[in-house]
Amino acid sequence: GAVVSQHPSRVICKSGTSVKIECRSLDFQATTMFWYRQFPKQSLMLMATSNEGSKATYEQGVEKDKFLINHASLTLSTLTVASAHPEDSSFYICSADPLAGKDNEQFFGPGTRLTVL
Amino acid sequence: GQQLNQSPQSMFIQEGEDVSMNCTSSSIFNTWLWYKQDPGEGPVLLIALYKAGELTSNGRLTAQFGITRKDSFLNISASIPSDVGIYFCAGQLHYGGATNKLIFGTGTLLAVQP
Repeated sequence: GAVVSQHPSRVICKSGTSVKIECRSLDFQATTMFWYRQFPKQSLMLMATSNEGSKATYEQGVEKDKFLINHASLTLSTLTVASAHPEDSSFYICSADPLAGKDNEQFFGPGTRLTVL
Repeated sequence: GQQLNQSPQSMFIQEGEDVSMNCTSSSIFNTWLWYKQDPGEGPVLLIALYKAGELTSNGRLTAQFGITRKDSFLNISASIPSDVGIYFCAGQLHYGGATNKLIFGTGTLLAVQP
């Protein structure tokens, strides 16, 4: 149980393209999902907290107009990188906090590798 | 963004050796977690610690939540080749009903030579 999927697993796009990444909790419901970005050989940095039915909360320095988050249901959150540029190339990872789990649990997705040419 | 200090940055060991890594913070956390990340994958939870002073084991892994709530260590005994990966600590604060964000450590790269 507690499986989180991400789609796509890998995307290569041209500069200026908008890219949508989906994060799904497959066997549980999650009111809260988190989006992280990880550059090569670096740690995971929290970008935003996504709450079902309300606006996402962004971390300091993360542009909300650049990284659009929608959490329309208890099992799906999407991250759209608007007008992607090469510096947006990174590994994007989501996690989900189960409704019925322990307070501190987050289950991570397998990540999405974004390469912007 | 905020990060926890993790050491060592990397370790290169022989199969069968024991490994120890730690994580320190200037801030107090209510929960400490240890994750392992394989290349191109998301992190996988290894051990969660919920009380200061708590010592918890999971197979060959042992982790402790520091008394000051500002540090934690992870030990791996009798390492095997599949232990290779990047290990991250993460601290979590509870804001009484608010969302519980994770702050990740800088990571420890473990390489195990057969």
